[in-house]
Amino acid sequence: DAMVIQNPRYQVTQFGKPVTLSCSQTLNHNVMYWYQQKSSQAPKLLFHYYDKDFNNEADTPDNFQSRRPNTSFCFLDIRSPGLGDAAMYLCATSRDLGGYNEQFFGPGTRLTVL
Amino acid sequence: GENVEQHPSTLSVQEGDSAVIKCTYSDSASNYFPWYKQELGKGPQLIIDIRSNVGEKKDQRIAVTLNKTAKHFSLHITETQPEDSAVYFCAASRRSGAGSYQLTFGKGTKLSVIP
Repeated sequence: DAMVIQNPRYQVTQFGKPVTLSCSQTLNHNVMYWYQQKSSQAPKLLFHYYDKDFNNEADTPDNFQSRRPNTSFCFLDIRSPGLGDAAMYLCATSRDLGGYNEQFFGPGTRLTVL
Repeated sequence: GENVEQHPSTLSVQEGDSAVIKCTYSDSASNYFPWYKQELGKGPQLIIDIRSNVGEKKDQRIAVTLNKTAKHFSLHITETQPEDSAVYFCAASRRSGAGSYQLTFGKGTKLSVIP
């Protein structure tokens, strides 16, 4: 089945130790998003790629970076995780349907910072 | 930017009863309104959506209505079952300056269906 896959599902890191989360998709969608979701809150958009074009949200900290080496894969790098970065990180994909799009989410990676 | 308000934040219903969740949005440029169901520890799952040129859409026990003039839309779940228990998010989508579309989410409604 076509889907959005995130690895790992659970990630534990130490304060200040860089961590990379990965997302892959078999939907062949041209847009990929990264969201941060803290407990009992709505997902918050960090950035997205429209094809190869990177679009950062204005309030996304510099500590968060992303790479998209090809259509199928996208990575979220957290350069120096702080305790406040503990959250669920969600990857989503979509394609332009000519006036609207549908976003499909992966299962998420739960990040714990010790 | 867009602002989406969602009510109620928590909702408890007896199994078999109906549940209604309401959302309002602020940006008239928003043209697509999806609803997501999120179970504990999982990613949001798209359950139904509606485009701005449609007033109502139904899929089995789930229906969504949209009032563009009033800028509000609602999710209706009939004959609720315990497996409907989850957090539900409404969202509004509009084209961003980058050419892609962005979702603005409501704060979520935690639905509990009591057997």
